[in-house]
Amino acid sequence: DVKVTQSSRYLVKRTGEKVFLECVQDMDHENMFWYRQDPGLGLRLIYFSYDVKMKEKGDIPEGYSVSREKKERFSLILESASTNQTSMYLCASSLGQGLNTEAFFGQGTRLTVV
Amino acid sequence: GESVGLHLPTLSVQEGDNSIINCAYSNSASDYFIWYKQESGKGPQFIIDIRSNMDKRQGQRVTVLLNKTVKHLSLQIAATQPGDSAVYFCAENDAYKLSFGAGTTVTVRA
Repeated sequence: DVKVTQSSRYLVKRTGEKVFLECVQDMDHENMFWYRQDPGLGLRLIYFSYDVKMKEKGDIPEGYSVSREKKERFSLILESASTNQTSMYLCASSLGQGLNTEAFFGQGTRLTVV
Repeated sequence: GESVGLHLPTLSVQEGDNSIINCAYSNSASDYFIWYKQESGKGPQFIIDIRSNMDKRQGQRVTVLLNKTVKHLSLQIAATQPGDSAVYFCAENDAYKLSFGAGTTVTVRA
């Protein structure tokens, strides 16, 4: 089975802190994604990556950056956390570009910024 | 812009009845659609998918219908069970990233 693992289930950070959310997948997938999930808004794409060291902005990239130094790992960085970044963050991976296949999700990280 | 949306935010269903969850999409070029189920405290899990060259696809107790003419997608769950209580999302494949609707919360009444 595909496994997507997010390093933390729950995080509490202070406003202004630099926050790292880590995600690892074990199925050699080319594509990796970071979404945030908020009530009534569904899942919104923050950033995605289709290869090592490659990244593309999603729909709501402001206030975030990402890093993909290795194929299996995709990190989401909040440069200076703000209270409006309190949310559930979901990492996902899928097979290579041009292939229509489903994305597999991690269990989510619930981040609270105080 | 393009969007994927669900018609109703909540659905209450009697145990044993069939459930129908609807989704409208606006990108007529989309060629692949997925339904996900998200239980409380978990990430979304794949239920079933359908490609644009199909109108219907069946899985175990689930059926997805695609109407390209009106850009409408539906998920039917047969004989709904308490374990079907969850949030259901439709997703549209745009190149190699997925766009999601807001979700429908299904509650199964005993």
